[in-house]
Amino acid sequence: QSALTQPASVSGSPGQSITISCTGTSSDVGNYNFVSWYQQHPGKAPKLMIYEVSTRPSGVPYRFSGSKSGNTASLTISGLQAEDEADYYCTSYTSSTTFNLVFGGGTKLTVL
Amino acid sequence: EVQLVQSGAEVKKPGESLKISCKGSGYSFTTYWIGWVRQMPGKGLEWMGIIYPGDSDTRYNPSFQGQVTISADKSSSTAYLQWSSLKASDTAMYYCATSTTTVTACDYWGQGTLVTVSS
Repeated sequence: QSALTQPASVSGSPGQSITISCTGTSSDVGNYNFVSWYQQHPGKAPKLMIYEVSTRPSGVPYRFSGSKSGNTASLTISGLQAEDEADYYCTSYTSSTTFNLVFGGGTKLTVL
Repeated sequence: EVQLVQSGAEVKKPGESLKISCKGSGYSFTTYWIGWVRQMPGKGLEWMGIIYPGDSDTRYNPSFQGQVTISADKSSSTAYLQWSSLKASDTAMYYCATSTTTVTACDYWGQGTLVTVSS
């Protein structure tokens, strides 16, 4: 079961915007609007930031947004803050195997 | 308040068996699936499998099929992940998570259980 492809790292300065991509195939990201994004700080459990491509759970700041184009989903963080420094993982529903969920490899976000 | 509380850290030897737990509270345990996620040291997240506690329907990631067993006890609102013979490569943090808002995204996570397998 192939993982979704994410950049290993991205960085930005406070106040800037960054985008993390998550590339899949027509068996997952491309054909289903079930892409989610998780934030994980060191030593902590993951936290849901975006689900169904672009929906923010209650309590997640508005500066986190999600989108999708073709086989690639994206997480954008606007007005970057120091506390946004963390690992970010995308996940998607997939029809390519009998198990229907797949994670991306994760992206380390560094706030300069 | 929805909570998933996992059992404590474990240190085991290769070949030993282990069962870790994840107790749900504050929601209808039988209505929503619970998933198990592995995170090896310094690595990313991996889905291991999910279980629907209502009917114990279980789905495994092929990478973990035959390596672990996922189960649930409705009477105690507890999900389990077990190994019959641990290997050093099973050393990892294991999280349980549930999805109460949407079909495929986990809005609640346990705190994690660290499993260390070493001779």
